[in-house]
Amino acid sequence: GDSVTQMEGPVTLSEEAFLTINCTYTATGYPSLFWYVQYPGEGLQLLLKATKADDKGSNKGFEATYRKETTSFHLEKGSVQVSDSAVYFCALSAQGAQKLVFGQGTRLTINP
Amino acid sequence: DTGVSQDPRHKITKRGQNVTFRCDPISEHNRLYWYRQTLGQGPEFLTYFQNEAQLEKSRLLSDRFSAERPKGSFSTLEIQRTEQGDSAMYLCASSPGFRSGNIYEQYFGPGTRLTVT
Repeated sequence: GDSVTQMEGPVTLSEEAFLTINCTYTATGYPSLFWYVQYPGEGLQLLLKATKADDKGSNKGFEATYRKETTSFHLEKGSVQVSDSAVYFCALSAQGAQKLVFGQGTRLTINP
Repeated sequence: DTGVSQDPRHKITKRGQNVTFRCDPISEHNRLYWYRQTLGQGPEFLTYFQNEAQLEKSRLLSDRFSAERPKGSFSTLEIQRTEQGDSAMYLCASSPGFRSGNIYEQYFGPGTRLTVT
């Protein structure tokens, strides 16, 4: 079945460091790919998305590129801030499906 | 637009009791989803409604679980004879009936945290 594998956490970085959180997926066809973020005490929020190969999703300085050849959708940010501390989830929606399939999440802590 | 709301936010119950959670989707969203999230894991899909019709159910949704969306607006998720393994965060999401960039974008509520003692 469809699945998403994320880089295990927790990840701790200093402010202004470069961030990469790896995400790979298994799915048939052409899924849509997402990154969701969960701040402490809040619900899941869509951070960015990509719906076809080579698309780049971007939002709030975060970027991820849909790589069909490596079945990956790695999340990157050039300079993280303390306010980026949260749990990040990679997810997919299979072609024609309604449900989201999530990875296990990566907890990110940014120290000042 | 007040977002997806869920009630209660926290529920503590004893094993064997029945519990019911409510989800109010964003107004005019005709699609509604339930997910379950256990500690340290990502959310797992439980079920999906389009208007009042329940169109998909996960194998995770055992016979003790039932979900309804009687008038195509709010939804309830009931768990009968709760077990300790039911302890989790139950998330509700809704999406509009139209695609945004080829997807039905899902908006999540804050969740109901269930603890079964």
